[in-house]
Amino acid sequence: GEDVEQSLFLSVREGDSSVINCTYTDSSSTYLYWYKQEPGAGLQLLTYIFSNMDMKQDQRLTVLLNKKDKHLSLRIADTQTGDSAIYFCAERGYQAGTALIFGKGTTLSVSS
Amino acid sequence: GAVVSQHPSRVICKSGTSVKIECRSLDFQATTMFWYRQFPKQSLMLMATSNEGSKATYEQGVEKDKFLINHASLTLSTLTVTSAHPEDSSFYICSARPTGVGGDTQYFGPGTRLTVL
Repeated sequence: GEDVEQSLFLSVREGDSSVINCTYTDSSSTYLYWYKQEPGAGLQLLTYIFSNMDMKQDQRLTVLLNKKDKHLSLRIADTQTGDSAIYFCAERGYQAGTALIFGKGTTLSVSS
Repeated sequence: GAVVSQHPSRVICKSGTSVKIECRSLDFQATTMFWYRQFPKQSLMLMATSNEGSKATYEQGVEKDKFLINHASLTLSTLTVTSAHPEDSSFYICSARPTGVGGDTQYFGPGTRLTVL
């Protein structure tokens, strides 16, 4: 079945760049998403990329997609302590109405 | 922007009682809503897909009779945890897909933390 894998932890210093990686198995994925979850809170959509794109940039966030390798990454430039959270990668298949398949989440810890 | 609310945000109940969680899309219609469950420090697991006016589709391993889902209108889906037990304690999150043009993503509710004593 479909599977989404992420590394579980990432620790960076304030001001550095963070890169969170994700791999997925479903070749029919059309949309790939990055969500942020702060402690005790729900999910916040950060950004998404359509499968025919290689890159998407939105302010401090850069998403890279390597469709051949089924690899997705999220780069956060100038990481701040407020970026500390769990980041979930998720994919959605082609059919409208399908649910998202989530990775286990990467806990980003930013130290000052 | 699209807003999804959940009520209640937190609930504590005794073992054996039933708890209803509401998921509402506040400014858009959602033919399809999803219910996820998140265990501590784990990912979200899809429980069921709720379709307005029809029966929900449950994922493998999710008991239909225990987790009752009703999607009676285009803006409201409810999840009722019947005869709750401590192992049902979890963070329940719903999401809603806008109906029609632009429905390429899901909007998530803030979640409901259920604690069963």
